[in-house]
Amino acid sequence: QQPVQSPQAVILREGEDAVINCSSSKALYSVHWYRQKHGEAPVFLMILLKGGEQKGHDKISASFNEKKQQSSLYLTASQLSYSGTYFCGTDNNAGNMLTFGGGTRLMVKP
Amino acid sequence: DAGVIQSPRHEVTEMGQEVTLRCKPISGHNSLFWYRQTMMRGLELLIYFNNNVPIDDSGMPEDRFSAKMPNASFSTLKIQPSEPRDSAVYFCASSPAGVLPGELFFGEGSRLTVL
Repeated sequence: QQPVQSPQAVILREGEDAVINCSSSKALYSVHWYRQKHGEAPVFLMILLKGGEQKGHDKISASFNEKKQQSSLYLTASQLSYSGTYFCGTDNNAGNMLTFGGGTRLMVKP
Repeated sequence: DAGVIQSPRHEVTEMGQEVTLRCKPISGHNSLFWYRQTMMRGLELLIYFNNNVPIDDSGMPEDRFSAKMPNASFSTLKIQPSEPRDSAVYFCASSPAGVLPGELFFGEGSRLTVL
């Protein structure tokens, strides 16, 4: 079952913040986040393991609520380079067989 | 270090023709994945190999699709016969041994158009 991402699309001005949510109906072992720019391959951002940890990478961070089977990606002080489609990938069994959500299209304008 | 290499980058073919997509994973990576991306269905996992052995092919849509990994440095995805609904971008991804769960390294993709 594909995880559900929300919102489907968001438009920001440079410097604004955004939150992208990912929700699964299955118990999760880990959640992975990727960003894909138009015409390019998905690029890895981060992995979160069950345990409710939060990770950060520059101004992009994420949290994982194992009990709710939800993850959120936080983008703060957005930059033009953040534009792209963000995908969460969920893993149920500590492997790398990811089921990806439908994606959230993010556009950052000057 | 070279990334995941896929060929061809673009393929246009006619319905009924055989299509073969190729992938060279990153050296030392022991897991290989084939994904298909369309606007309607998003990124779908087709098949997963570990140490050249197919582990899960439940995502392969039908018998027209087949995948092989004859050695650690090469994999193919074949569609025979192809149909217009197979039009998509096909991505190959690999991940290193001993790191689970870990980062998937995607190739640039093969864009297939079936007329």
